[in-house]
Amino acid sequence: KQEVTQIPAALSVPEGENLVLNCSFTDSAIYNLQWFRQDPGKGLTSLLLIQSSQREQTSGRLNASLDKSSGRSTLYIAASQPGDSATYLCAVDSGNTPLVFGKGTRLSVIA
Amino acid sequence: EPEVTQTPSHQVTQMGQEVILRCVPISNHLYFYWYRQILGQKVEFLVSFYNNEISEKSEIFDDQFSVERPDGSNFTLKIRSTKLEDSAMYFCASSRRGGGAEEQFFGPGTRLTVL
Repeated sequence: KQEVTQIPAALSVPEGENLVLNCSFTDSAIYNLQWFRQDPGKGLTSLLLIQSSQREQTSGRLNASLDKSSGRSTLYIAASQPGDSATYLCAVDSGNTPLVFGKGTRLSVIA
Repeated sequence: EPEVTQTPSHQVTQMGQEVILRCVPISNHLYFYWYRQILGQKVEFLVSFYNNEISEKSEIFDDQFSVERPDGSNFTLKIRSTKLEDSAMYFCASSRRGGGAEEQFFGPGTRLTVL
């Protein structure tokens, strides 16, 4: 059974800092991995999708990498801003099974 | 940009009552999903739906739950007799293709409170 873990559970950084969020999964037989952003009490906004054949994806200040063999993904946020404060969720799609989510990393960017 | 919409945004009900949560997926999407998130916990899969039938469901999705696509645009989740533990945020999602081929797009959620 696929398990997804995200470390750290919470992170507080000063504005302007670069940061890395980590996601690990137990079963490397995945089709894709998605990173989401969730603001308090709100829905999930898809940030990046990495297919299993890809190593990384970039969108603006965000860069996500995938190492399928080791069961790891990282989300790199460059030059963090207070508006980046949110919970970041990682979810793994193993094809014929539904998305399995991690518990998220709660990010606070301090001005 | 097309988006998934959900109504209502917040539903309060008494234990034992029936509730219907509504979703309008993105128009050219063919795969539909319901997830839920109990406060402070992980987002959990409930059910997936394709070609007018359930393609997969979790252990959570017992006989109290049902889904329906009553017309060409709406996708509903019905809870027949709500329990206190059904209180959660319910998210609808859709994708153009299944099997992990494309990303799932999520709606803003319906917060269900069972009293």
